[in-house]
Amino acid sequence: DIVMTQTPLSLSVTPGQPASISCKSSQSLLHSDGKTYLCWYLQKPGQSPQLLIYEVSSRFSGVPDRFSGSGSGTDFTLKISRVEAEDVGVYYCMQSIQLPLTFGGGTKVEIK
Amino acid sequence: QAQLVQSGAEVKKPGASVRVSCKASGYSFSSYGITWVRQAPGQGLEWMGWISAHTGDTNYAQRLQGRVIMTTDTSTTAAYMELRSLRSDDTAVYYCARVPSSGWRDALDIWGQGTMVTVSS
Repeated sequence: DIVMTQTPLSLSVTPGQPASISCKSSQSLLHSDGKTYLCWYLQKPGQSPQLLIYEVSSRFSGVPDRFSGSGSGTDFTLKISRVEAEDVGVYYCMQSIQLPLTFGGGTKVEIK
Repeated sequence: QAQLVQSGAEVKKPGASVRVSCKASGYSFSSYGITWVRQAPGQGLEWMGWISAHTGDTNYAQRLQGRVIMTTDTSTTAAYMELRSLRSDDTAVYYCARVPSSGWRDALDIWGQGTMVTVSS
């Protein structure tokens, strides 16, 4: 199975400041079709996960442009340019190049 | 708009079975797939498996093989996940999520609200 490792485990951010989360995979997520199958989800407190970013850097419909994704191969980053109160929750990366799909352990983002 | 609505919370005894439903609306159900993900209390997300609503093809997590069955009913646009021989470590919130393609690779774009399954004697 592909192991997804997220850092840090938690993040406390002042509103308006940037935040960055790292996700590393144990194998390359670049498929022969040219796509890289790495996405990011946010699970707000008491809610279901919601899709933020797919294929490394494509924002899902309705996701604010303060969220951006980058990376390639095995190293990926989710950045929030200016954190807002509504961004609190646990962020997960997920790979879907190979079964079983696997998730990172999660990064909890809190507001200072 | 597209949405997935799941059945209500369940309490089961060890060794019993549970069946969770996931009713889809607002999109062409048979054109896409459904993935099931679970989350134990205070823990992360675990992929359980995928089913194509078009062909009925399935892929299950190896650790659940033999205990899990995923099905769909295109006439009612519903997906079902049955888990048998329940153990205490099956206690979790179970989510269905849409895969916006005919395969299993695409990101999960719409999620159900979750169904809490508690296994306790």
